[in-house]
Amino acid sequence: DGGITQSPKYLFRKEGQNVTLSCEQNLNHDAMYWYRQDPGQGLRLIYYSQIVNDFQKGDIAEGYSVSREKKESFPLTVTSAQKNPTAFYLCASRVDGRNSPLHFGNGTRLTVT
Amino acid sequence: AQSVAQPEDQVNVAEGNPLTVKCTYSVSGNPYLFWYVQYPNRGLQFLLKYITGDNLVKGSYGFEAEFNKSQTSFHLKKPSALVSDSALYFCAVRDGGNNNDMRFGAGTRLTVKP
Repeated sequence: DGGITQSPKYLFRKEGQNVTLSCEQNLNHDAMYWYRQDPGQGLRLIYYSQIVNDFQKGDIAEGYSVSREKKESFPLTVTSAQKNPTAFYLCASRVDGRNSPLHFGNGTRLTVT
Repeated sequence: AQSVAQPEDQVNVAEGNPLTVKCTYSVSGNPYLFWYVQYPNRGLQFLLKYITGDNLVKGSYGFEAEFNKSQTSFHLKKPSALVSDSALYFCAVRDGGNNNDMRFGAGTRLTVKP
């Protein structure tokens, strides 16, 4: 089955530690995205990548970093500089085209204490 | 920049009754509109999208959406609600000028009571 796999589903970290969230897709999509979801705030874009070895900041990129070394993979690192990292993180991908919907993974819930 | 408003945090309906989840949008160019549904601790699932020229769009699971250009709205509807429709619903808009900037509403929690 084609889809997007995010791992792990739940992640717990101590404050001050960097943590990397995995996102892998086998849909052959060029574009990939990371969103953050907080209760009552909808989804906010962190980073996106339209092609391998290229990525762009979204609205809330501070404290986050990404890489896109392979078409299938778009890992997100939450650094210690992110002031409020506890959230639900969603990875998505899509084919090119303004009318194309996003396909989402099942998310990673990160809790930092 | 484009934006989306979902004016209701919560919508409650009885099973078998019609449901409407409201969405209004603001874009500078042509709107590309979408509805997604989210079940607890899951990602978002695509329900339907606006196609230019079709004011009534049909999507998955019996849902449909009505596009109204003059009211800049794209309300989600279903003629007969099911308890299993209970979930969080998101409206989203992409401006035709920026292919990668999709804006989401804050979400509306739909509860269908038996």
